[in-house]
Amino acid sequence: DIVMTQSPDSLAVSLGERATINCKSSQSVLYSSNNKNYLGWYQQKPGQPPKLLIYWASTRESGVPDRFSGSGSGTDFTLTISSLQAEDVAVYYCHQHYTFPYTFGQGTKLEIK
Amino acid sequence: QVQLQESGPGLVKPSETLSLTCSVSGGSINSYYWNWIRQPPGKGLEWIAYISYSATTNYNPSLKSRVTLSVDTSKNQFSLKLSSVTAADTAVYYCARGYSYGHPGIFDYWGQGALVTVSS
Repeated sequence: DIVMTQSPDSLAVSLGERATINCKSSQSVLYSSNNKNYLGWYQQKPGQPPKLLIYWASTRESGVPDRFSGSGSGTDFTLTISSLQAEDVAVYYCHQHYTFPYTFGQGTKLEIK
Repeated sequence: QVQLQESGPGLVKPSETLSLTCSVSGGSINSYYWNWIRQPPGKGLEWIAYISYSATTNYNPSLKSRVTLSVDTSKNQFSLKLSSVTAADTAVYYCARGYSYGHPGIFDYWGQGALVTVSS
């Protein structure tokens, strides 16, 4: 199985400041034939299902604010929130769908400082 | 607006079979892949399996021997059965749609989740 490791496990950021969450996969999730990274990011607020934020590592889902961005390739990826808002408090998960079984990172809990 | 809704018993006895159904509204079950994902209380996400509208399946090997999936296109529903459950199977079970962006593993719509507790 591909192991997805996120860092940090938790993060406290001041409102309006930048938040950065990292995700490392145990093997590359870049498919060479189409140059796509099979990596997504999800946001989960308490009591709610996860919500798709980013797919193909850097494509923002429709309706997701542009303060959210994804970057990286191969084995190292980053989710950046450029200016933290109160409604961004949540747990964030990276997810690989390059190979079976699909796997998720352990989650990063984002709080307001 | 596509909506998914899980339904089924919230309490299952050890060694018995967990059964859940996901009803899809606001869109067709055709042309997509339908996933089950679970989350033990306070823990992370685990992908269980998917089934397509044409009944193509793929399973997490860690659960494959205990999982059965089915799809009923006439009812716009798909179902999960997990046999021989133990307390370790206690979790919120989510159904989720895949393939909107060309891959079954991109989950763009999720159900609200169903908490299933395994206890005698």
